[in-house]
Amino acid sequence: NAGVTQTPKFQVLKTGQSMTLQCAQDMNHNSMYWYRQDPGMGLRLIYYSASEGTTDKGEVPNGYNVSRLNKREFSLRLESAAPSQTSVYFCASSEAPSGMSSYNEQFFGPGTRLTVL
Amino acid sequence: QKEVEQNSGPLSVPEGAIASLNCTYSDRGSQSFFWYRQYSGKSPELIMSIYSNGDKEDGRFTAQLNKASQYVSLLIRDSQPSDSATYLCAVLGQNFVFGPGTRLSVLP
Repeated sequence: NAGVTQTPKFQVLKTGQSMTLQCAQDMNHNSMYWYRQDPGMGLRLIYYSASEGTTDKGEVPNGYNVSRLNKREFSLRLESAAPSQTSVYFCASSEAPSGMSSYNEQFFGPGTRLTVL
Repeated sequence: QKEVEQNSGPLSVPEGAIASLNCTYSDRGSQSFFWYRQYSGKSPELIMSIYSNGDKEDGRFTAQLNKASQYVSLLIRDSQPSDSATYLCAVLGQNFVFGPGTRLSVLP
C-alpha cells in the first residue's frame, strides 16, 4: 500500500501560469482533502470531497479549482498562479468526513512544494 | 471562523522528561480531536485521536480531553530526541481545523 501519493514533489511557476497538482490514494477512502501550509499559519483547508462526485469549498478556496476524478484521485488546479500561492500543498484522505470514530482520521501525502515567481 | 490555538514554542525538555503540549478550541460542537507529529520538511503523521472526555493512552503518549473547558492536551513520557518535531492539534467540527503547531525540542 502506497497510501496517499502526490505529484509533483516540487514545482516552480511564473505568475500567470497554470498547473494541476495530482493526488491519489489506495486505501479505498471516501473523503479527500487539499490543504496548504504556510509558516506560522498551520494547515488550511482549500477544498474537500466528502465522497465521489461531490466537492466543497474550505477555508481558502479562492484561486483554486478541484476535480474528484474517481474514488482514488483528487486533483487541485491553479488557473493563474500568483506569488501568494507559494506554499506547501498537502493532500489527505479519510474513510469518512465526520462523526466520532476512527473513520474520520486523515492520512496525508508527502506534499508538493510550490514556488510562484 | 472556528479557531484552534496552540503555543508556538519552542518547548524544550530534557531527554527522559515529560513533554506537555496544550491546545484550546472555540467550536463547542467539535466531536473529534487529533494530534499529528510533523518533522521538518515532512508531512503530518497521525499519532493520537480522542473522542470522549478523559485520558487515552498509547505507549508513551497520552491524550487528554476536556470538552467543558474546550481543551485537549498531549503528554509524551520519557521524551526522546527523536520526538523533536512540530505537534499539530486538529479539531473536527463541521470541518477539520488545525492549530498552528507547537515546536518541541528534546535535548540529549
